[in-house]
Amino acid sequence: QKEVEQDPGPLSVPEGAIVSLNCTYSNSAFQYFMWYRQYSRKGPELLMYTYSSGNKEDGRFTAQVDKSSKYISLFIRDSQPSDSATYLCAMSAVGDTNAGKSTFGDGTTLTVKP
Amino acid sequence: GAGVSQSPSNKVTEKGKDVELRCDPISGHTALYWYRQSLGQGLEFLIYFQGNSAPDKSGLPSDRFSAERTGGSVSTLTIQRTQQEDSAVYLCASSLEFSTGELFFGEGSRLTVL
Repeated sequence: QKEVEQDPGPLSVPEGAIVSLNCTYSNSAFQYFMWYRQYSRKGPELLMYTYSSGNKEDGRFTAQVDKSSKYISLFIRDSQPSDSATYLCAMSAVGDTNAGKSTFGDGTTLTVKP
Repeated sequence: GAGVSQSPSNKVTEKGKDVELRCDPISGHTALYWYRQSLGQGLEFLIYFQGNSAPDKSGLPSDRFSAERTGGSVSTLTIQRTQQEDSAVYLCASSLEFSTGELFFGEGSRLTVL
């Protein structure tokens, strides 16, 4: 079983819809939770970064972390065609040997149709 | 440049040949990582350099893979005697010294082994 599980999709929604992307994990040492967006044939770019449990909002994007359930989510409001990409969740643990050495989900491919 | 630079962007090689992939991190970033992304898969950690510390090589899949980082900046990932299963996108990322997961990725080097 993988440490981080992510539904690969693909997920297709109409423009303006609310999108929910999710990951579950098994390692209770994870304290830092990230969402990356990756356009086709490009490198991932950091979208959201959260420490421990709670919510974080940035424009149309909201990241939620529920450590008790080992479950994280990314919500995209008023989705746009430009949001069409693969979304990767990533997590890392505290400690020198783990700092920055993130564990990634396999990514969810999202298409937002005009 | 402002971002992480990788070269070559594409490399096609024959089985059994050696290849070298280069990464130039963001200026001032002391941590450097190599990840591998196979088609439709998430990112697989390969190796991690942090300042002058010994690199974390725990993700290298076999002894055919090696990496070095000269002068604390540019890194080269070398794959000897390439195999078809080595075909993937090799992504380099860099971060600040005490990052806990905020990685800045390059565009990747797409390797195809025939």
